[in-house]
Amino acid sequence: GQNIDQPTEMTATEGAIVQINCTYQTSGFNGLFWYQQHAGEAPTFLSYNVLDGLEEKGRFSSFLSRSKGYSYLLLKELQMKDSASYLCAVRVSLSGGYNKLIFGAGTRLAVHP
Amino acid sequence: GAVVSQHPSRVICKSGTSVKIECRSLDFQATTMFWYRQFPKQSLMLMATSNEGSKATYEQGVEKDKFLINHASLTLSTLTVTSAHPEDSSFYICSARDRYRQGNQPQHFGDGTRLSIL
Repeated sequence: GQNIDQPTEMTATEGAIVQINCTYQTSGFNGLFWYQQHAGEAPTFLSYNVLDGLEEKGRFSSFLSRSKGYSYLLLKELQMKDSASYLCAVRVSLSGGYNKLIFGAGTRLAVHP
Repeated sequence: GAVVSQHPSRVICKSGTSVKIECRSLDFQATTMFWYRQFPKQSLMLMATSNEGSKATYEQGVEKDKFLINHASLTLSTLTVTSAHPEDSSFYICSARDRYRQGNQPQHFGDGTRLSIL
């Protein structure tokens, strides 16, 4: 089956760095995405990895190791507005050229002053 | 940037009512749209994949007669929750994939519809 695991909750201090891990066991892997979701709102795209290594976008970086089925999202210089849920999602390719995203349960990050 | 409009944003209605939710891609063509459901403090669960001009593909455990999907054009998909009951209360989110961009941002999400059945 398809399975994605990430911690349920994390807390961090404003200005600090936090790393949110994600492990996955899927078939047909075709990319990994991180989304941010504030309560009651739709997810917003943060990052995408399809090859091994680190992708950096401003305060956010995401890492992927396909052989280990592992990714992390790194948030630097945390701000209060970064308090949100962070969703790890794996795109899988199925028969007939059909792709879909499978989401993890999300990690709720609370940033404290 | 790509925008997906979802309407209505909130619905409160009586049990037994049918509710229609619209999902529109405003500045791109979407051959494929996705419908998700999200219960409180849980992640997005894919309900069905909607392809323009053909029948939707439903995920296992999702009743196709309960959740009717129509994708009649490249910019509009609708989800109708038929004879809704309290257990159907949830946050429904659509997303659309740009026909011409399949790379690093394959899906653009609407703002979601919070459905409450009394």
